[in-house]
Amino acid sequence: GQQVMQIPQYQHVQEGEDFTTYCNSSTTLSNIQWYKQRPGGHPVFLIQLVKSGEVKKQKRLTFQFGEAKKNSSLHITATQTTDVGTYFCAGLKNTGNQFYFGTGTSLTVIP
Amino acid sequence: IAGITQAPTSQILAAGRRMTLRCTQDMRHNAMYWYRQDLGLGLRLIHYSNTAGTTGKGEVPDGYSVSRANTDDFPLTLASAVPSQTSVYFCASRGPGYGYTFGSGTRLTVV
Repeated sequence: GQQVMQIPQYQHVQEGEDFTTYCNSSTTLSNIQWYKQRPGGHPVFLIQLVKSGEVKKQKRLTFQFGEAKKNSSLHITATQTTDVGTYFCAGLKNTGNQFYFGTGTSLTVIP
Repeated sequence: IAGITQAPTSQILAAGRRMTLRCTQDMRHNAMYWYRQDLGLGLRLIHYSNTAGTTGKGEVPDGYSVSRANTDDFPLTLASAVPSQTSVYFCASRGPGYGYTFGSGTRLTVV
């Protein structure tokens, strides 16, 4: 079964609106990574979070790792058409050495 | 340019045929992976290799085999292709403490 759940599966927003995708695990994660995949492209690494409660920003993107290290979120402020794509989280369990990818959130930005 | 090279880019294959997807990296990463990506299912791990000479099974290994004779190459073989193996295949590598670097993918259609 899916180790890491991600919601929503799809999101359509008007350009300029905000967007958030959530990643949840039933077990504690050692760290979590986020990736972006443009339509027709391949996943590209965005960031890694390691510490409980950690928050990192990349321009309009804000990444957060939950206090219990079981969930994470990616928030985009004032979306642009260049933000279109699928965003994946990937979690590393404390007991393993393999990352488990979420099912992804496909973001469409309407100009 | 450092990265991962996959070949072929796309292929239409008759069911029952044998096929090897090629993957080469020039980053000297020890860990390499093969994923398949299907709509709504995200990225699922097929096989992985933590270092040259070793391989391991991922979530969906049936019908696939891999080898890791050296650090740079990690081919994926479908011994007898079936239509359910129609997918986009991504090879990836990962250095210690870093995110995955993905290749551009191979789009495989089994008919």
